[in-house]
Amino acid sequence: AQTVTQSQPEMSVQEAETVTLSCTYDTSENNYYLFWYKQPPSRQMILVIRQEAYKQQNATENRFSVNFQKAAKSFSLKISDSQLGDTAMYFCALDAGGTSYGKLTFGQGTILTVHP
Amino acid sequence: GAVVSQHPSRVICKSGTSVKIECRSLDFQATTMFWYRQFPKQSLMLMATSNEGSKATYEQGVEKDKFLINHASLTLSTLTVTSAHPEDSSFYICSATPIAGADTQYFGPGTRLTVL
Repeated sequence: AQTVTQSQPEMSVQEAETVTLSCTYDTSENNYYLFWYKQPPSRQMILVIRQEAYKQQNATENRFSVNFQKAAKSFSLKISDSQLGDTAMYFCALDAGGTSYGKLTFGQGTILTVHP
Repeated sequence: GAVVSQHPSRVICKSGTSVKIECRSLDFQATTMFWYRQFPKQSLMLMATSNEGSKATYEQGVEKDKFLINHASLTLSTLTVTSAHPEDSSFYICSATPIAGADTQYFGPGTRLTVL
């Protein structure tokens, strides 16, 4: 079984500052995928960033980057130059691959508020 | 690209009636779609995997006779909540992965079901 844990129920940051959201996971699979999804008040799930476990290099998408520590099973999200539009609930998710390919296990979520 | 739609976006029904929710991939084909359920301010929980041309597979604890899933084509999956009760009130979200090589789920905008 897979588990994903987000230990920060809520976070806040000032506009233009940097914030890091934490995520740890557990799986016995080797070829898995990790994701960060954003859910704004509209509740539409939006992909922020993805990481393949076999890649050592941390994924980056514009202001969003991850710190993927495979041995520690840690996958944190760093948001630089925070913007008001970043206010949302953020979910860390794991696709364990193999027979579970495509099935996502989500963390509990972190509500991020960006203050002007 | 990779747009998933859901219909209806909101539905209110009386206890004991059945409600059908449609999930469509608009610009890609998907042999597999997934249905999630989300309670307010909580995470997404996978309910079932919808397989085109074959029976859906349900997660542990999900009643297959209550949540009927039909994946009639490569672009359409439906979830029917049968004999709905107030405890079935929730936000239902579908997701799909393009057939060709992608390993990222794209989510529909969700359907809010309220059972009176």
